[in-house]
Amino acid sequence: SAVISQKPSRDICQRGTSLTIQCQVDSQVTMMFWYRQQPGQSLTLIATANQGSEATYESGFVIDKFPISRPNLTFSTLTVSNMSPEDSSIYLCSGTGTYEQYFGPGTRLTVT
Amino acid sequence: GENVEQHPSTLSVQEGDSAVIKCTYSDSASNYFPWYKQELGKRPQLIIDIRSNVGEKKDQRIAVTLNKTAKHFSLHITETQPEDSAVYFCALPFSGGYNKLIFGAGTRLAVHP
Repeated sequence: SAVISQKPSRDICQRGTSLTIQCQVDSQVTMMFWYRQQPGQSLTLIATANQGSEATYESGFVIDKFPISRPNLTFSTLTVSNMSPEDSSIYLCSGTGTYEQYFGPGTRLTVT
Repeated sequence: GENVEQHPSTLSVQEGDSAVIKCTYSDSASNYFPWYKQELGKRPQLIIDIRSNVGEKKDQRIAVTLNKTAKHFSLHITETQPEDSAVYFCALPFSGGYNKLIFGAGTRLAVHP
């Protein structure tokens, strides 16, 4: 299975600020994704992180709120911008080769 | 777009019993069906998956069955143990892709000693 790490593991932020989450994957991964998991809920896909180009966002998610970078094959960042308490969630990156998709440990974000 | 429904939302069994979780989907083009287990505070872990060219796959105490005609797939756990207690999610790819996953709502399984 792919090795995926994220940092920070958790953070508490004030509303109106921004937080950047980093994700590092091993070389088996070709595609990278970002998901959100609200407390007690399922996972929702935010976007596909495309290497060297703009991310592809799913319905309900926009670049201004969740800018994503993927400067190389094994690294990506997600920024949660202008945060509000509704952004309090776990943010997970994932990576996949052909079929199997593996997840990072997640970043637990609390916005006060 | 694709839609996946997962049932039941909660499941309580006695240790040693079997547990079955079912997901139904709408897109007949779906061809990959993974199941994830998420323990409290941990990342989702891929526990088993099946592709559309087979009807069943087993790995020790867990199995997945697929009925493409009826558009449903199920996770079967036999001889349940307390460490099986977790939230289980089915998933399948968004229409037109292999990797972008849409997840079911989850099933909270509790195995009582």
